[in-house]
Amino acid sequence: DTGVSQNPRHKITKRGQNVTFRCDPISEHNRLYWYRQTLGQGPEFLTYFQNEAQLEKSRLLSDRFSAERPKGSFSTLEIQRTEQGDSAMYLCASSAGVLEQYFGPGTRLTVT
Amino acid sequence: AQRVTQPEKLLSVFKGAPVELKCNYSYSGSPELFWYVQYSRQRLQLLLRHISRESIKGFTADLNKGETSFHLKKPFAQEEDSAMYYCALSGDSNYQLIWGAGTKLIIKP
Repeated sequence: DTGVSQNPRHKITKRGQNVTFRCDPISEHNRLYWYRQTLGQGPEFLTYFQNEAQLEKSRLLSDRFSAERPKGSFSTLEIQRTEQGDSAMYLCASSAGVLEQYFGPGTRLTVT
Repeated sequence: AQRVTQPEKLLSVFKGAPVELKCNYSYSGSPELFWYVQYSRQRLQLLLRHISRESIKGFTADLNKGETSFHLKKPFAQEEDSAMYYCALSGDSNYQLIWGAGTKLIIKP
């Protein structure tokens, strides 16, 4: 499967714990995006990388959130001191330039 | 403010009937509009984009700048069209997609 992959697919954590998600984009794609989706809503943009540079962060991304793409390939999204409001599906997408964004299956986070 | 509105959370039609999924947007510039689809247990995938003027799986969508709409249409619905449909907008930034809340389409046999 050469599509976008995300790990883990599901994560259950207790409030206050830190979690880290990984996204592996399609190999030739230089752009990588993170979105968050809650029940009954469309995805909300979180952040965007072009190669290894993080070029934009949404105001939704509080100081507890950090994302990296160290070598311009895979990316990680870390949430520190998780809160129940962080429970959501976290989606990663990649694209080549401004073309179509290809989505991964998502990581479902449940904070108890 | 940039916004995408899909007024129907759920749309249920019979197989063979026409389908129209509504999408209205608010954007001051020249947006690029997309329809994404998510079939059960599958990931989001692009259905069509207005700039390409394609017809995919029998679906078409026309950008109406006067009415700021980008409704998705199909003349004869099929059961395999049952899915979640999301309308999305890309503005000047060319990277951020702004999404509607989605419409769940159910095609009844």
